[in-house]
Amino acid sequence: EAQVTQNPRYLITVTGKKLTVTCSQNMNHEYMSWYRQDPGLGLRQIYYSMNVEVTDKGDVPEGYKVSRKEKRNFPLILESPSPNQTSLYFCASSLGVGVGNSPLHFGNGTRLTVT
Amino acid sequence: SQQGEEDPQALSIQEGENATMNCSYKTSINNLQWYRQNSGRGLVHLILIRSNEREKHSGRLRVTLDTSKKSSSLLITASRAADTASYFCATDAGGQNFVFGPGTRLSVLP
Repeated sequence: EAQVTQNPRYLITVTGKKLTVTCSQNMNHEYMSWYRQDPGLGLRQIYYSMNVEVTDKGDVPEGYKVSRKEKRNFPLILESPSPNQTSLYFCASSLGVGVGNSPLHFGNGTRLTVT
Repeated sequence: SQQGEEDPQALSIQEGENATMNCSYKTSINNLQWYRQNSGRGLVHLILIRSNEREKHSGRLRVTLDTSKKSSSLLITASRAADTASYFCATDAGGQNFVFGPGTRLSVLP
């Protein structure tokens, strides 16, 4: 089944403790992206990747890191989480942005709470 | 930077009625997409309309695009309780990334 898999689904952590949210897609998509969703603010893009070893900042990259060593994986890393990073996070992928005009496929989300 | 803005923010209708949501954007686009999100879940793609298209249908969904006004509308006909969700428009301005609006929260009352 074609899908985007995020783990974990729920995560509670403390300020400053490094964490990684994994994202994997099995559709051979070139484009992958991370979003955070907060009440009243909609989805805001954190980082995106057009292909392996190519990553770019989105609208709210501060406090986050990503890597794209393989086409299928795009982990989101919070080196020193803070309470303002408490949010619902989504990973998404598509064939390519601007190329083929293909839709985004979303994971089921990771609800992160930083205390 | 927020490219798309949905309107209204929230909409409440009776089952069987039609629901119309609008999306306005600021810069030229290659395509515009609509997504649905059930509470707390991932977004699901509904329909994509290209900049050279004016109208597109998919089942009970009808999307229009007016590039001169930089706006799009999503019409859901004969709504059902299962249509209760948030609806987002997304644009790929410049082809670099997708930008989502804040969404319209639709409630369909039985």
